[in-house]
Amino acid sequence: TQLLEQSPQFLSIQEGENLTVYCNSSSVFSSLQWYRQEPGEGPVLLVTVVTGGEVKKLKRLTFQFGDARKDSSLHITAAQPGDTGLYLCAGSNRDDKIIFGKGTRLHILP
Amino acid sequence: KAGVTQTPRYLIKTRGQQVTLSCSPISGHRSVSWYQQTPGQGLQFLFEYFSETQRNKGNFPGRFSGRQFSNSRSEMNVSTLELGDSALYLCASSPYESRAGRAEAFFGQGTRLTVV
Repeated sequence: TQLLEQSPQFLSIQEGENLTVYCNSSSVFSSLQWYRQEPGEGPVLLVTVVTGGEVKKLKRLTFQFGDARKDSSLHITAAQPGDTGLYLCAGSNRDDKIIFGKGTRLHILP
Repeated sequence: KAGVTQTPRYLIKTRGQQVTLSCSPISGHRSVSWYQQTPGQGLQFLFEYFSETQRNKGNFPGRFSGRQFSNSRSEMNVSTLELGDSALYLCASSPYESRAGRAEAFFGQGTRLTVV
């Protein structure tokens, strides 16, 4: 059974600080997605990474796919209160369904 | 382009009843997936439909069923509701079938189901 483990489960930091959250698996994925979900809403797709070692930037967010395509990280620079939310990673393989991690709940204190 | 629309947004049902939830995907998207989200279990995959055919199914009892119509709209049905079925039910559409190895999904706002 494929699993995606996200860490930390909860993170509360001050505005302006940097942070990194992780998404790890023992399985190889053909692609991996990061989503952000706010209370009462559905998850919103932030990025897709496909190639091992790939790095993608979205303003203050930097996403990296591990060389072996088993793990990924999300780094946020100078966190802002608007970054607060549940960050979910999801992976898929050919001939298999999409699986989601349980998420990292991030709270940025003003 | 309109997003994924789920109806209703909120629903309260009694144990033993059945419920039908509806999802209209983004125009042109042929894949529709359903998920159950609870605080303890996170997002759990229910099933995926692509071109009116169920392509994949999660580990849920047979009380959970779905279907997709020719216009890609989808419905999900839960029969004989239990208290543990209380959750946020999310629908996601995608231009890709998940077996293609691409998992970009566009989610609706969900239906909050409360079973009392």
